Amino acid sequence: GENVEQHPSTLSVQEGDSAVIKCTYSDSASNYFPWYKQELGKRPQLIIDIRSNVGEKKDQRIAVTLNKTAKHFSLHITETQPEDSAVYFCAANNAGNMLTFGGGTRLMVKP
Amino acid sequence: EAGVAQSPRYKIIEKRQSVAFWCNPISGHATLYWYQQILGQGPKLLIQFQNNGVVDDSQLPKDRFSAERLKGVDSTLKIQPAKLEDSAVYLCASSFGLAGAETQYFGPGTRLLVL
Repeated sequence: GENVEQHPSTLSVQEGDSAVIKCTYSDSASNYFPWYKQELGKRPQLIIDIRSNVGEKKDQRIAVTLNKTAKHFSLHITETQPEDSAVYFCAANNAGNMLTFGGGTRLMVKP
Repeated sequence: EAGVAQSPRYKIIEKRQSVAFWCNPISGHATLYWYQQILGQGPKLLIQFQNNGVVDDSQLPKDRFSAERLKGVDSTLKIQPAKLEDSAVYLCASSFGLAGAETQYFGPGTRLLVL
């Protein structure tokens, strides 16, 4: 089955700096890669996703890049703000749209 | 648009007791998922329904866990008997269809503590 590895497990940045979180996946048939943000005690919220027919997608301060050959994808957050502090999860699907999640990255943005 | 609803939000039981969780997906969403999220980990899929049929339950511990979606809308997940390691947040999610690359929307979860 699919295996998704996520790094780093914790990331501390200064407000205004950029943050990058990286994921690798194992199933070459995966074609959908969402990123979820989860604040303490809250539900995972989709922040951005990318499908395998594109290599990059951007939404304001958030961008995701995908390298299908290398089977890795990354989340980029620019101009980080304290409210970006949360746990971020990457995920990859299989043919039946089952999602396998990475282990999560705890992002801390210091004011 | 109303989101995915779950109840109860919190549940504390003793080991070997039974517990049930309820989920109401977003209206019109054919596909429903149950995930288990252990503290400090990513969600792990337990079972996936399309309408009232099971698509995949390969990661559901069937000796103690069961789930149903009888009318293709609401779903219940049951644990009987519960073990200490079942302490986790149980998340329900739904998506419009089953085709690949469908966005999944999560409910608030039920936090289960087994003592």
